[in-house]
Amino acid sequence: EVQLVESGGGLVQPGGSPRLSCAASGFTFSSYNMNWVRQAPGKGLEWVSYITTSSSTIYYADSVKGRFTISRDNAKNSLYLQMDSLRAEDTAVYYCAREMNYYDSSGSYWGYIDYWGQGALVTVSS
Amino acid sequence: EIVMTQSPATLSVSPGERATLSCRASQSVSSNVVWYQQKPGQAPRLLMYGASTRATGIPARFSGSGSGTEFTLTISSLQSEDFAVYYCQQYSNWPRTFGQGTKVEIK
Repeated sequence: EVQLVESGGGLVQPGGSPRLSCAASGFTFSSYNMNWVRQAPGKGLEWVSYITTSSSTIYYADSVKGRFTISRDNAKNSLYLQMDSLRAEDTAVYYCAREMNYYDSSGSYWGYIDYWGQGALVTVSS
Repeated sequence: EIVMTQSPATLSVSPGERATLSCRASQSVSSNVVWYQQKPGQAPRLLMYGASTRATGIPARFSGSGSGTEFTLTISSLQSEDFAVYYCQQYSNWPRTFGQGTKVEIK
């Protein structure tokens, strides 16, 4: 069974720098690209960041670029999100999410999120 | 960035009735759309990928259609466990973008 368990959330002061962790189990972590997605209280979903299996390709949403850093440790089956210079608008549940890849009928390679963790709440407030 | 627009924002449906949810992309995303279901306090659950392929374990009453810019999720006969918020998302371009969600509530 695929399991993704986030940790590291909590109450953080504006400007703080927490690090979220995601422990993966039930699948070969090193074979899957991974994502972070967040959801502000009562709001919709916002994709935050993406990392490939070897960490060779990384993407960020403009809203976090330059402040957040995604990384992974395949030996520890873990995904991380270092969050710096936090603002009130970063308050959200942060989900770790696995990406499933496939080839379509034309041979193009695509990926979509198939499994999500239960999320870690990060509250930015003084 | 591609904007995904879902309609309606809220859909009131009686159990056993059909529900039709729409999602429109601001530019073509081919068939690279997924649908997620989210219940209060829970993580999203994958329903559909490739616009029309049901994910593992998803009941046949869920169906998806569309390509290009117009997509539809249909629930043929709503069950009590289907009342939730539904999100579409495109994975054709970066950044990945979600619709704002459609809440399916009991009429």
